[in-house]
Amino acid sequence: EIVMTQSPATLSVSPGERATLSCRASQSVGSYLAWYQQRPGQAPRLLIYGASTRATGIPVRFSGSGSGTQFTLTISSLQSEDFAVYYCQQYKTWPPGTFGQGTKVEIK
Amino acid sequence: QVQLQESGPGLVRPSETLSLTCNVSGGSVTSYYWSWIRQPPGKGLEWIAYMFHSGVTSYNPSLRSRLTMSVDTSKNQFSLNLSSVTAADTAVYYCARGGGGGYDVSTNSLSWYFDLWGRGTLVTVSS
Repeated sequence: EIVMTQSPATLSVSPGERATLSCRASQSVGSYLAWYQQRPGQAPRLLIYGASTRATGIPVRFSGSGSGTQFTLTISSLQSEDFAVYYCQQYKTWPPGTFGQGTKVEIK
Repeated sequence: QVQLQESGPGLVRPSETLSLTCNVSGGSVTSYYWSWIRQPPGKGLEWIAYMFHSGVTSYNPSLRSRLTMSVDTSKNQFSLNLSSVTAADTAVYYCARGGGGGYDVSTNSLSWYFDLWGRGTLVTVSS
């Protein structure tokens, strides 16, 4: 089973600033990597798939990069609605598809 | 647009079977692969299983011995049964749609990311 490790666990950022979240896979997953946003009390929402392709309706301030074992989600200018928990998920090796433990982006 | 809605008992006794249903509205259950994903309180996400209406299934190896997933095309819904539950099975259970993915040749399995989620239902295992 591929283990996904996200860092940091918590990221404190001021509105309008840039946020950079990391996700590392225990073995290569190519570009089979998705990112999700989960706001409090809500279901996760797909942001990015294929490591860098934005899902339908996702603002351009969200961007994904990386391949192999190292991935990054960047939020270029944080808006109030972006303070949430973010998860990465690999879908290279199945079963199971595995998620990272999450990074919480909080207001600084 | 397609919407998903989970339903089931909020409380299940230890050793019993947890049964959940996901109703698909605004689209056909025959058009996609469907998954169950869970999230224990305050913790991360765990994929449980996926299924296609043809009967193709894939289960999380850590749960496989206790799982059954089914699709009812007449009701446009799909279901999950998890037997012999313990407190460790307490979680919010989400149904989700496979939006796209890949193919794992080593296990002959399709793989998925999830582009549509239900709102989730909390299931507590307690006596």
